[in-house]
Amino acid sequence: SQQGEEDPQALSIQEGENATMNCSYKTSINNLQWYRQNSGRGLVHLILIRSNEREKHSGRLRVTLDTSKKSSSLLITASRAADTASYFCATGNQFYFGTGTSLTVIP
Amino acid sequence: EAGVAQSPRYKIIEKRQSVAFWCNPISGHATLYWYQQILGQGPKLLIQFQNNGVVDDSQLPKDRFSAERLKGVDSTLKIQPAKLEDSAVYLCASSFSGTPYGMQYFGPGTRLTVT
Repeated sequence: SQQGEEDPQALSIQEGENATMNCSYKTSINNLQWYRQNSGRGLVHLILIRSNEREKHSGRLRVTLDTSKKSSSLLITASRAADTASYFCATGNQFYFGTGTSLTVIP
Repeated sequence: EAGVAQSPRYKIIEKRQSVAFWCNPISGHATLYWYQQILGQGPKLLIQFQNNGVVDDSQLPKDRFSAERLKGVDSTLKIQPAKLEDSAVYLCASSFSGTPYGMQYFGPGTRLTVT
């Protein structure tokens, strides 16, 4: 399976702290994408990192990719209550999603 | 820019009944996807269209599920007959890129409950 798997399954932090979640996958990829899902806005694309990139930033988001370890991490800095959501990585040619990391940011 | 539209938003049916979902992708998006998301799990790709042709339907339970994309725009996903395990949110997504690697835009989903 090319499925990405997120870790941890659940994460609870205080507002203002940083949140880090990881994604591991099994096969070679063209790119890896991170998505956020909450009840209010559905599933939203956050960031795409290509296989020849090692790090990418977008606002408070920082994504790293280590193709040798087949892993990626998503860092959210200075978290806000609005960041409370499930975060998924998607990999492979056919968009295999993992089971997600449920992030709770406590105000 | 209008987003991906889906209807209905909610549907409750009894097992063995039929149901159909509709999706209107973002204008100009060539690629359309249908996903099934069971509670507590990530989305599972059911079928992918490129214009009106099927690119991948390897995970579509073809004995009961069918999908079409007429004229390369709107799409419908049908389940006939429904089973209890089909209870899930059905998500439609579209992407501009002609390849499967592009950023996807998701609709709000249709929550199906089979009783």
